[in-house]
Amino acid sequence: KQEVTQIPAALSVPEGENLVLNCSFTDSAIYNLQWFRQDPGKGLTSLLLIQSSQREQTSGRLNASLDKSSGRSTLYIAASQPGDSATYLCASLNTDKLIFGTGTRLQVFP
Amino acid sequence: GAGVSQSPRYKVAKRGQDVALRCDPISGHVSLFWYQQALGQGPEFLTYFQNEAQLDKSGLPSDRFFAERPEGSVSTLKIQRTQQEDSAVYLCASSIRDTAFSTNEKLFFGSGTQLSVL
Repeated sequence: KQEVTQIPAALSVPEGENLVLNCSFTDSAIYNLQWFRQDPGKGLTSLLLIQSSQREQTSGRLNASLDKSSGRSTLYIAASQPGDSATYLCASLNTDKLIFGTGTRLQVFP
Repeated sequence: GAGVSQSPRYKVAKRGQDVALRCDPISGHVSLFWYQQALGQGPEFLTYFQNEAQLDKSGLPSDRFFAERPEGSVSTLKIQRTQQEDSAVYLCASSIRDTAFSTNEKLFFGSGTQLSVL
């Protein structure tokens, strides 16, 4: 059974810092790895999707990498802003459903 | 509609009551998923529909949970005889996936229904 773990569980940084969020998964037979953002009381917003054949994807200040062999993915956020404060969730696509990690709660203070 | 819509936004139930949670997916989206998110946890898969067919219900925690999508659009998640451990946010998501399996499509989530069982 796939298990997805995210560290750290929480992170508080000053505005402007570059930061890395980590995601690990136990079963490397995934089809893709996705990163989502969740704001309090809201649903999930898809940020990046990395196919199993890809190594990374970029969108603006966000860059996600995937290393299937080691069961790891990282989300890199450049020049963090207070508006980036949210919970970030990674999820692996196994068969027909996404398996989520427990998330990293990020707070960026001015 | 412009996005996935879920109702009610909040639901408070007394232990033992039945509840029904509604999901309106994005128009034209074939696939629909239900997830359960406990406080401080990531979402956990409950069930998956492709059109009106329920293809996977392996995540439903007990036979008190029942989901349907009779016309392939709106879906209802019903929980019978609610218990305190059912308290969670129930998220619905849809995707345009029109084949049995696709690895590139994104899921679009609703804001969820927060269920509190007293």
